Amino acid sequence: QLQLQESGSGLVRPSQTLSLTCAVSGGSVSRGAYSWTWIRQPLGRGLEWIGDFYHSAGTYYNPSLRSRVTISLDRSRNRFSLQLTSVSAADTAVYFCARGEPYVGDYATEYYFSSWGQGLPVTVSS
Amino acid sequence: QSVLTQPPSVSGAPGQRVTISCSGTSSNIGAGYGVQWYKNLPGAAPKVLIYGNTKRPSGVPDRFSGSKSGTSASLAITGLQADDEAEYFCLSYDTGLSGPVFGGGTKLTVL
Repeated sequence: QLQLQESGSGLVRPSQTLSLTCAVSGGSVSRGAYSWTWIRQPLGRGLEWIGDFYHSAGTYYNPSLRSRVTISLDRSRNRFSLQLTSVSAADTAVYFCARGEPYVGDYATEYYFSSWGQGLPVTVSS
Repeated sequence: QSVLTQPPSVSGAPGQRVTISCSGTSSNIGAGYGVQWYKNLPGAAPKVLIYGNTKRPSGVPDRFSGSKSGTSASLAITGLQADDEAEYFCLSYDTGLSGPVFGGGTKLTVL
């Protein structure tokens, strides 16, 4: 059974870079069929998609974060990572990693999140 | 705040049936993308219950069912059990965002 586990600093200073890693066990990040995704939830607010990595199609990012975010894969360590630069208090949230599993939708291939990490709280504060 | 609109809370007695609604727009649910439903407990990984509007992953009981009509979708839970008490959120893809959007979550209380 696939398991995902987020790790990284739980406290980041304003204007610095948030760096998180998602360790994958029970499966390989090198398998090409899936998406490798980051999602976050600010306290008291709804979930927000950050971005995806696809082997076949590269990366896709939320337009509101695109200028600051990078998602990458580390095949040798079977994990994927998130970097978010120039953070502010608005980036304080619980950060989740997830694997997207493809299925055939009504019009195109779509993805549902079959596996998630438990979430990592990150606070941006001086 | 959330793109998809859900009621903040619903409740039901053990054994009863409850439904949770998820309202979107022509840019997401109404655009033909499938709706997904997840169960979320504090400190735990969210669990998918429904994808593609009506499909259940293996291992999800048939007490859980999904439906969609126009720009709205619903999750129905029958034979309510104590361990169904959790937050449930919906998801669909959005043409404007080119990515997934979420409901704000609905807290289900089993009376």
